[in-house]
Amino acid sequence: GEDVEQSLFLSVREGDSSVINCTYTDSSSTYLYWYKQEPGAGLQLLTYIFSNMDMKQDQRLTVLLNKKDKHLSLRIADTQTGDSAIYFCAVPVGDTSNTGKLIFGQGTTLQVKP
Amino acid sequence: GAVVSQHPSWVICKSGTSVKIECRSLDFQATTMFWYRQFPKKSLMLMATSNEGSKATYEQGVEKDKFLINHASLTLSTLTVTSAHPEDSSFYICSARKQGLGYTFGSGTRLTVV
Repeated sequence: GEDVEQSLFLSVREGDSSVINCTYTDSSSTYLYWYKQEPGAGLQLLTYIFSNMDMKQDQRLTVLLNKKDKHLSLRIADTQTGDSAIYFCAVPVGDTSNTGKLIFGQGTTLQVKP
Repeated sequence: GAVVSQHPSWVICKSGTSVKIECRSLDFQATTMFWYRQFPKKSLMLMATSNEGSKATYEQGVEKDKFLINHASLTLSTLTVTSAHPEDSSFYICSARKQGLGYTFGSGTRLTVV
């Protein structure tokens, strides 16, 4: 089945850039997603990228996709203390019409030090 | 648009009792709903996929008789944890989607079985 892997922890200083990496195995995924989860809360969709794109930028967020290597990354520019949270990458599995089930990576805990 | 309401947000129940969690899509009709379970500091584990009017498809290792899923309408799915035990204590999150709209998550339910 689909396997989605992330590093578990990242610590940065406020104002630095954060880069969270993710690898996946199912190459038929059409969209790939990044979610943010704050303590005790549900999931917040941060951004997504279509599989035929290499890069997508949305304000402080940049998503890079290397489809050949099945590698996805999320860059947060000018990281703030409010960015401290767990970040999940998620990949749909099942079909290519964007209706499949969503499989999550283990989540990367981002710690931002003042 | 695309709001999913999940209730209750937290519940404490005694061992042996059953607990029902509701997931409603408020402003769209969800073709598919998903139920996830999240252990502390862990990833989201997909439990089951449910389509309106049909039986849920459970992931391997998830007990169908333990976690009853009903998807009676295009806007409501329920998860009932039957004969709950302390090991069922967890954070349960639902997700609803309509083709073309992506995945929308509820705010989660914290279940504690004492």
